[in-house]
Amino acid sequence: SQQGEEDPQALSIQEGENATMNCSYKTSINNLQWYRQNSGRGLVHLILIRSNEREKHSGRLRVTLDTSKKSSSLLITASRAADTASYFCATAATGGGNKLTFGTGTQLKVEL
Amino acid sequence: DTGVSQDPRHKITKRGQNVTFRCDPISEHNRLYWYRQTLGQGPEFLTYFQNEAQLEKSRLLSDRFSAERPKGSFSTLEIQRTEQGDSAMYLCASSLSGGQRVAGANVLTFGAGSRLTVL
Repeated sequence: SQQGEEDPQALSIQEGENATMNCSYKTSINNLQWYRQNSGRGLVHLILIRSNEREKHSGRLRVTLDTSKKSSSLLITASRAADTASYFCATAATGGGNKLTFGTGTQLKVEL
Repeated sequence: DTGVSQDPRHKITKRGQNVTFRCDPISEHNRLYWYRQTLGQGPEFLTYFQNEAQLEKSRLLSDRFSAERPKGSFSTLEIQRTEQGDSAMYLCASSLSGGQRVAGANVLTFGAGSRLTVL
């Protein structure tokens, strides 16, 4: 079962533009993470934000978390062609053990 | 350490056959996870181990699926009597436990996956 829903499902932008992806989830969480997956490959961790944090930055990535709305956003600034991938949010539910539950993903295409 | 290794990378089998996948996690990681992913979907949780103990198994998981981690190191995932609906990418991941006290805890490192095709 999927906990999160990403929006949009697909996004196409030009190199240099910013890309914003949103994630909504259903239960209370300990943390929320974003992962990237290049076509046909395994997932790579990007960033983790804890439930008591509201914003976090890592390089060109900015993540926000609104626990009252059960939503998060991932912003990639100054996108590059190499950012083309699928992006997934994943949540660690409070009292849900230590597994991560992944959303359905946003397919990002960055064109030259 | 070369990360999380999975073997085989690809497996084609006939319906009704048994298949086994192996995962070698990062050696320092005490947690190991199995996920399944189909095209266009996010990874779906199957089961996870802390050391050699299997702590959780998805309620949606058929009893044809079994996983082991006998010495708290590598893990195997076996699917018995495969069905066409089992065709998917099987992903293994590992992590450290430790909550906020341990840097990098609860962050999953994934292998490249084992792709299963059931004919």
